[in-house]
Amino acid sequence: AQTVTQSQPEMSVQEAETVTLSCTYDTSESDYYLFWYKQPPSRQMILVIRQEAYKQQNATENRFSVNFQKAAKSFSLKISDSQLGDAAMYFCAYRSADNNNDMRFGAGTRLTVKP
Amino acid sequence: ETGVTQSPTHLIKTRGQQVTLRCSSQSGHNTVSWYQQALGQGPQFIFQYYREEENGRGNFPPRFSGLQFPNYSSELNVNALELDDSALYLCASSLGRSDTQYFGPGTRLTVL
Repeated sequence: AQTVTQSQPEMSVQEAETVTLSCTYDTSESDYYLFWYKQPPSRQMILVIRQEAYKQQNATENRFSVNFQKAAKSFSLKISDSQLGDAAMYFCAYRSADNNNDMRFGAGTRLTVKP
Repeated sequence: ETGVTQSPTHLIKTRGQQVTLRCSSQSGHNTVSWYQQALGQGPQFIFQYYREEENGRGNFPPRFSGLQFPNYSSELNVNALELDDSALYLCASSLGRSDTQYFGPGTRLTVL
């Protein structure tokens, strides 16, 4: 079964600095999707970025980018120029391209942004 | 364009009771997935509905059941509530089964 591991329960970053959140996953599949979701105190999960496993190019969305290492099964999120509004729980998630109804989430990383 | 909405926001029930949670999918989305998020944990997949049919189920007992209606809105029903059912229940909709899921704000269920 696929599992997702986020080894950093908590991280903090100074405003305007850069932070990287780690995620590793375990799968025997070759085709899948990876996601980072943000969950602020309002509880609503917000999609940050999505990566298709068959694409070698790392996904980027404005200040958010990923470092996708397929062989190492690693999918880290880099947040540049951190803002106070980035403070939230961040969840890494995996979804198979075959069994695409079951999205597996990690336990989350709580990001604090210091002014 | 209206996003995913859920009702109610909060709910308090006692052990043994039954509960129904509701989700309205984003306009144009025909797929709804439900997740349970216990405190301090990541969401866990309960089941998914695609065009009114169940399309996959996670490791949850049969007392967790669901429906999807012709307008693609959905309900999650939980019978014989247990204390461990206390959690945030999240609904997510997508254009299709393999598309990106967009989440609602969740329903916080407390079982006493």
